[in-house]
Amino acid sequence: KAGVTQTPRYLIKTRGQQVTLSCSPISGHRSVSWYQQTPGQGLQFLFEYFSETQRNKGNFPGRFSGRQFSNSRSEMNVSTLELGDSALYLCASSLVSGALTTGELFFGEGSRLTVL
Amino acid sequence: TQLLEQSPQFLSIQEGENLTVYCNSSSVFSSLQWYRQEPGEGPVLLVTVVTGGEVKKLKRLTFQFGDARKDSSLHITAAQPGDTGLYLCAGRSVTGGGNKLTFGTGTQLKVEL
Repeated sequence: KAGVTQTPRYLIKTRGQQVTLSCSPISGHRSVSWYQQTPGQGLQFLFEYFSETQRNKGNFPGRFSGRQFSNSRSEMNVSTLELGDSALYLCASSLVSGALTTGELFFGEGSRLTVL
Repeated sequence: TQLLEQSPQFLSIQEGENLTVYCNSSSVFSSLQWYRQEPGEGPVLLVTVVTGGEVKKLKRLTFQFGDARKDSSLHITAAQPGDTGLYLCAGRSVTGGGNKLTFGTGTQLKVEL
C-alpha cells in the first residue's frame, strides 16, 4: 500500500516569491491535513481538507492557502514568501475526520522549503 | 490556545537504561497520541490513549494518560539504539476539530551503545 507522497521534497525560493506544494494521500483516505515544522515552533497545524472542503484552519496568515481535488490530492500555496516561512511542510492523510475522531494520521516525508 | 509542553527536551542515555518522557498541558484533551519521528521522515504513530487513567503497553514502551486527560507519559524500559528519534505527543480538542492536532514541543532521544 503506497504511503503519502509529497512533492517536491526540497525547494529553495527567494523572498516575495510564491510556492505550491503537493500531497497525494493514501488511496481511500479523504482527509488531508497540513502541518508546518520548525525548530523553534515545532509542529503547527495549518489546515485540514475533507472531501474537497476545508474543515479546520490553524492560526496562519492568509498567505497560506490550500485546496483539495476530487481525487483527494491536495495542494498548499504560500504567497509572498518570508524568511520565516522556511520550514518542513508535512502532509498527513487519514481515513476519517469526525468531530471526535481518534484516527491515526499518516504523514509524508515532507517538503523542505528554504526561503533566501 | 492549547499548549503541550514536553520534558525533557533532550535526552542522551546508554543502551539498557530506562527513561520517561512527560507531556503536560493545562487543557483537557479528548484523546492523545504519541508519534516518533526519525530524520528525513514524517512522524509515525506509536499509540492512541482516550480514557483518563488509561495505560497502554507496546513491547518496552508504556504510555499513560492522566486521570484528568491533561497530561501523559511515555516510559521506555531497557532503551535500545533503535529507539533513537524525536518523540512527539499530540492532543485532540474536546470540542472536536477532526484531525487538527496540537503537538507537543518534542523530546529528542539518543540511545548510545
